[in-house]
Amino acid sequence: GAVVSQHPSWVICKSGTSVKIECRSLDFQATTMFWYRQFPKQSLMLMATSNEGSKATYEQGVEKDKFLINHASLTLSTLTVTSAHPEDSSFYICSAGDYNTGELFFGEGSRLTVL
Amino acid sequence: AQTVTQSQPEMSVQEAETVTLSCTYDTSESNYYLFWYKQPPSRQMILVIRQEAYKQQNATENRFSVNFQKAAKSFSLKISDSQLGDTAMYFCAFMKGVVQGAQKLVFGQGTRLTINP
Repeated sequence: GAVVSQHPSWVICKSGTSVKIECRSLDFQATTMFWYRQFPKQSLMLMATSNEGSKATYEQGVEKDKFLINHASLTLSTLTVTSAHPEDSSFYICSAGDYNTGELFFGEGSRLTVL
Repeated sequence: AQTVTQSQPEMSVQEAETVTLSCTYDTSESNYYLFWYKQPPSRQMILVIRQEAYKQQNATENRFSVNFQKAAKSFSLKISDSQLGDTAMYFCAFMKGVVQGAQKLVFGQGTRLTINP
């Protein structure tokens, strides 16, 4: 089946630094990717929709300058948490949509801990 | 806007029993899809079952089946002969239908299911 690879799977950083998380579709073209955030024991909350070659669409309440999304190719979207703070610590999950079938595939997730 | 509600935060059953997880949703869309996802401790999201709204027949996947009541906007998941490996968080999700491409998923709050030996 289709695979979405997310990297890194976990990262620890100091407060004030920036962290980049990658989401790759390995065997299909993904014109659209989605970034979710999940706090412990809670559901997945959509942060933004990433469209290849255009600006991301952010959900209400998500700071676009804080969470930079780039979708420069049909197989790669990146989420950069800028000037990270402890409250940004969370589990971030991406999903990629197969343009032809509309199916969604999830990455393994990335656990971010900001000290 | 679409909303998805799971009213059971936690459930626990004995191995081999049958368990039903509830989900209701609200939408004005006529074309949409409903999903159940499983999230085990590894936190990898795993698709359990999918239902197209235009299909009256309830979807089934081995031990997993749904009861899709479109008029009532209800979409419950039944797990038969439950196994220890079924222990996980289960999320109900909604997606608008589109001709091509992908749409975002709207998730319910989740139900933590524990299967006891």
